[in-house]
Amino acid sequence: DAGVIQSPRHEVTEMGQEVTLRCKPISGHNSLFWYRQTMMRGLELLIYFNNNVPIDDSGMPEDRFSAKMPNASFSTLKIQPSEPRDSAVYFCASRPQGSVTEAFFGQGTRLTVV
Amino acid sequence: AQSVTQLDSQVPVFEEAPVELRCNYSSSVSVYLFWYVQYPNQGLQLLLKYLSGSTLVKGINGFEAEFNKSQTSFHLRKPSVHISDTAEYFCAVSETGFQKLVFGTGTRLLVSP
Repeated sequence: DAGVIQSPRHEVTEMGQEVTLRCKPISGHNSLFWYRQTMMRGLELLIYFNNNVPIDDSGMPEDRFSAKMPNASFSTLKIQPSEPRDSAVYFCASRPQGSVTEAFFGQGTRLTVV
Repeated sequence: AQSVTQLDSQVPVFEEAPVELRCNYSSSVSVYLFWYVQYPNQGLQLLLKYLSGSTLVKGINGFEAEFNKSQTSFHLRKPSVHISDTAEYFCAVSETGFQKLVFGTGTRLLVSP
C-alpha cells in the first residue's frame, strides 16, 4: 500500500485566498484525522471522521475551516479565507477499525499564507 | 476527554548517554498509549504502543516505554542514544473503544557528539 497520500506537499497562497488540502487514506481504514502542527501549539487534532461521518470537529479553530469526506478514499480540508496565522503543517492520518491500532500519517502539507 | 502532557519541550543529551522523555496522560477510562517519532520534514511514524499486558513495551530503534497506571505515565527511554535519534517525539492516547487519538505537544530530542 502507498500509505496515506496528501497533496499538495507545499502550498503558498496570499491572504484571503481559498486553500484546499487533500488526503487519500489507506484503503480499508475507516477513520481519518486532520491535524495541524505549529511551533507554538504542537500537534492539534482539528477533526476526525469515522466511516466518512464527522465525529468530533471541536478542534476546528474557526468557521473559516471546513472538512469533508465524500467517500472512504478521499477527504478535503478547506480554509476560506486564509490568513497568515493559518500557516502550519497539516497532517492527515488514517486508522483501521478498532482503537487498538495506531494511526498512519501522511507526509503533510506545508501551508504558507503571505 | 483524554489529554496528554509532555513537560519537556526540548531534551539535549550527549551521544551514548541514556535518555528519558516524559509523558503523562489524563483520562477517566482505560486507554491505549503510543509514542511516535518525527524526523525533520517528515510525517510521524510509530515507535511503540501499549495496549495491555506487560507494562514494559519495547519498540523500534532500541526504545522502550513503561506504562504506570497509578502515576498515569508512559515515559520513553533509551539506554544509549545516537546522533540519528535527533528528532521530535510525540506521546499519544486513545481511550479504549474510541477512535479519537490525541497527541501531546512533543519533545525535541537533541543528541550531540
